[in-house]
Amino acid sequence: DSGVTQTPKHLITATGQRVTLRCSPRSGDLSVYWYQQSLDQGLQFLIQYYNGEERAKGNILERFSAQQFPDLHSELNLSSLELGDSALYFCASSVVSKSDEQFFGPGTRLTVL
Amino acid sequence: GENVEQHPSTLSVQEGDSAVIKCTYSDSASNYFPWYKQELGKRPQLIIDIRSNVGEKKDQRIAVTLNKTAKHFSLHITETQPEDSAVYFCAASADRRPGNTPLVFGKGTRLSVIA
Repeated sequence: DSGVTQTPKHLITATGQRVTLRCSPRSGDLSVYWYQQSLDQGLQFLIQYYNGEERAKGNILERFSAQQFPDLHSELNLSSLELGDSALYFCASSVVSKSDEQFFGPGTRLTVL
Repeated sequence: GENVEQHPSTLSVQEGDSAVIKCTYSDSASNYFPWYKQELGKRPQLIIDIRSNVGEKKDQRIAVTLNKTAKHFSLHITETQPEDSAVYFCAASADRRPGNTPLVFGKGTRLSVIA
């Protein structure tokens, strides 16, 4: 158990819908990263937040957005869902002062039908 | 931006043999190189990492080497066991305090250890 939690574990929805994925980082971790892993694909970086502020953006679609709240949990919002958005979405967190290591959550498996 | 290439994409070895996975990176500013192991449907788990001020690091059966000049790093697993079967990802990032840069991952190597 990495200490990073993600909810829900599984999500099944239809095309055109909107969903919200939630991530709680390890206690004390200020950085939160979101990654997408499609079937048989590697891990693609989507977006990073540090202490509530957007820090870096990767291959994140305009239909997707995220935020980090004052309690440091983060939410990833996916809207106008398409079949190709079906993937595992991982959240990771890290504490800057000690290590570069990123701790991954268990992931949310999104299936768009 | 950073680009990480990983080879091979699949690797089969006999139990007890060694396995080597190689990665190259493009950004000379990258200074942190972790390796993750991912079992099917599970989260990536860090197995070893190395920083640019070190050329080699070992942890029991696992070792990582880094060649900064050539911009490549490798994972070595000795005395492989069936439970080593998984997908292995290399990654790179740069120290950009506060808040490290996101990891850029290679495409992964599916390792199969045959008993």
